[in-house]
Amino acid sequence: QVQLQESGPGLVKPSQTLSLTCTVSGGSISRANYYWSWIRQPAGKGLQWIGRIFTSGTTDYNPSLKSRVTISVDTSNNQFSLKLSSVTAADTAVYYCARGDFGKIPFGNWGQGTLVTVSS
Amino acid sequence: DIVMTQSPDSLAVSLGERATINCKSSQSVLYSSNNKNYLTWYQQKPGQPPKLLIYWASTRESGVPDRFSGSGSGTDFTLTISSLQAEDVAVYYCQQYYSNPFTFGQGTRLEIK
Repeated sequence: QVQLQESGPGLVKPSQTLSLTCTVSGGSISRANYYWSWIRQPAGKGLQWIGRIFTSGTTDYNPSLKSRVTISVDTSNNQFSLKLSSVTAADTAVYYCARGDFGKIPFGNWGQGTLVTVSS
Repeated sequence: DIVMTQSPDSLAVSLGERATINCKSSQSVLYSSNNKNYLTWYQQKPGQPPKLLIYWASTRESGVPDRFSGSGSGTDFTLTISSLQAEDVAVYYCQQYYSNPFTFGQGTRLEIK
């Protein structure tokens, strides 16, 4: 059973870059037909998809965040990462990583989530 | 963007009774090439990540109790819990994966009456 775990700073200053890593265990991140997403959820609010990456390196981003987002994959360490630049308080949220099965299940396996607070 | 609208926002149902949550998309999520609706349902309990219940609008994920069922096609979908159990108290989300950006409904909070 694949497991995902987010890691990274819990506090980021405004205007700086938020950086998170998702470590995948119990399966190879390089397996065909899967892709890897980031999703966030402000406290008490709904879910917003940030973007995804295939192990080929192909990415798709939410247009509302595209100018500030970079998702990358490190197959040697079975990890993928999120960078969100020029953060503001509006980026404060629980950030989740998730695995998708192309054409079938967009977010079948989730990490537990990590809270990132943007504050000076 | 495809806008997903759920109704109601909150719902209180007696134990053992049926719970029904509706989801409407602003455009069709039916993929004509395979006749699949790219619509999922998730359950989220406090402090936990969402859990996949249903994909392709009506296919139950492995291990999900059969009291959960999904129906609908095109733009109108329904999640039904046939006999509410105490452990079903949660927020439920629908989500489309027909087009970028993938979008979620606002959530429906389900409580015990």
